[in-house]
Amino acid sequence: DQQVKQNSPSLSVQEGRISILNCDYTNSMFDYFLWYKKYPAEGPTFLISISSIKDKNEDGRFTVFLNKSAKHLSLHIVPSQPGDSAVYFCAASAFGAGSYQLTFGKGTKLSVIP
Amino acid sequence: NAGVTQTPKFQVLKTGQSMTLQCAQDMNHNSMYWYRQDPGMGLRLIYYSASEGTTDKGEVPNGYNVSRLNKREFSLRLESAAPSQTSVYFCASTPDTDTQYFGPGTRLTVL
Repeated sequence: DQQVKQNSPSLSVQEGRISILNCDYTNSMFDYFLWYKKYPAEGPTFLISISSIKDKNEDGRFTVFLNKSAKHLSLHIVPSQPGDSAVYFCAASAFGAGSYQLTFGKGTKLSVIP
Repeated sequence: NAGVTQTPKFQVLKTGQSMTLQCAQDMNHNSMYWYRQDPGMGLRLIYYSASEGTTDKGEVPNGYNVSRLNKREFSLRLESAAPSQTSVYFCASTPDTDTQYFGPGTRLTVL
């Protein structure tokens, strides 16, 4: 069963508007959440994260919101730019067997239209 | 500071051939990981190493072996490649935090 779900495989947004990417999780043991951005033929790059004790974290145009009771997080990009077009992966972290383990969603492909 | 490097970038194998994917990091990280990514799927953990000298299975370890050669290097070996192992393979490392840093990937095709 999928512990981290990104239910929207793709999203199209006009340049300058807000992009909202959503992620749901099922495991209450996750205590840290991350978003990664991936361009074609490159490795994922870390974008932004949030601890389970917070409900919001902001970094420039990127904000992540966490609703722990609903087991839901979202990534807001404002304003969206064409260079933001990429696949975005949501990941949830738990510590076990001596290291941090990430569980990834399937990704959402964001297309920002000029 | 090159971060996480992977070799080769591309590889084509025939069914039954073996090969080793190489990964190295120059960030003095303790933990290293191997993932595979298939179309429409997220990244799935194959094996990981919490520290030099230790390795553990992840979600999809069948058909793979790993070696943590030293603190810098973590290799992934396919002993007898199968078409189901056609995928993009990513190596990652972390300085004992939640954030993992990824290499550029190896695109493997098994015919």
